[in-house]
Amino acid sequence: AQKVTQAQTEISVVEKEDVTLDCVYETRDTTYYLFWYKQPPSGELVFLIRRNSFDEQNEISGRYSWNFQKSTSSFNFTITASQVVDSAVYFCALANYGGSQGNLIFGKGTKLSVKP
Amino acid sequence: EAGVTQSPTHLIKTRGQQATLRCSPISGHTSVYWYQQALGLGLQFLLWYDEGEERNRGNFPPRFSGRQFPNYSSELNVNALELEDSALYLCASSLGLAVNYNEQFFGPGTRLTVL
Repeated sequence: AQKVTQAQTEISVVEKEDVTLDCVYETRDTTYYLFWYKQPPSGELVFLIRRNSFDEQNEISGRYSWNFQKSTSSFNFTITASQVVDSAVYFCALANYGGSQGNLIFGKGTKLSVKP
Repeated sequence: EAGVTQSPTHLIKTRGQQATLRCSPISGHTSVYWYQQALGLGLQFLLWYDEGEERNRGNFPPRFSGRQFPNYSSELNVNALELEDSALYLCASSLGLAVNYNEQFFGPGTRLTVL
């Protein structure tokens, strides 16, 4: 069975702090995709990153960075020097390679509150 | 370029009625996905359409149905509404069937309230 676990339900930080959002996944597939999405209060999911299972290089995009470790089935997301605009619910998701099933399997999300 | 659009923004129905939700994908995208985001249940996959055909279905009863039109827009129909159908319904679109997975882009959602 495929499953995504985001153990942190809510995190509250003060602006400029670094914060890491955890994501652990389960799949029997040897190839798969992992995603992070951001859901601001407006409700629309915003795509942040896609990673395929055969590329374990970490990625950095501005203040955002992602740490993918197949050995621990984790795909963690770090925001450096957090800002109030980062306040949102963040979802980690999994999809099988080739997309034959089409759907994303989402974790329950982590609500991040960044206070000024 | 216009993103995924959904209508209506909000929909209020009473138990037993039918609801119809609409989605227009990004131009050039042929796949449309529907997800339900109910309080406490997270995002759950409902339906996937591509080129007018239903490609996959989540674990939902048959009263959740839909279709995709020749212009790739889609409708989600929920019959015999129940209170627990109250949720945010999100539509996403992507490029169609391909060897590599194509990321899904989401619309703003339709908030369905069943009284």
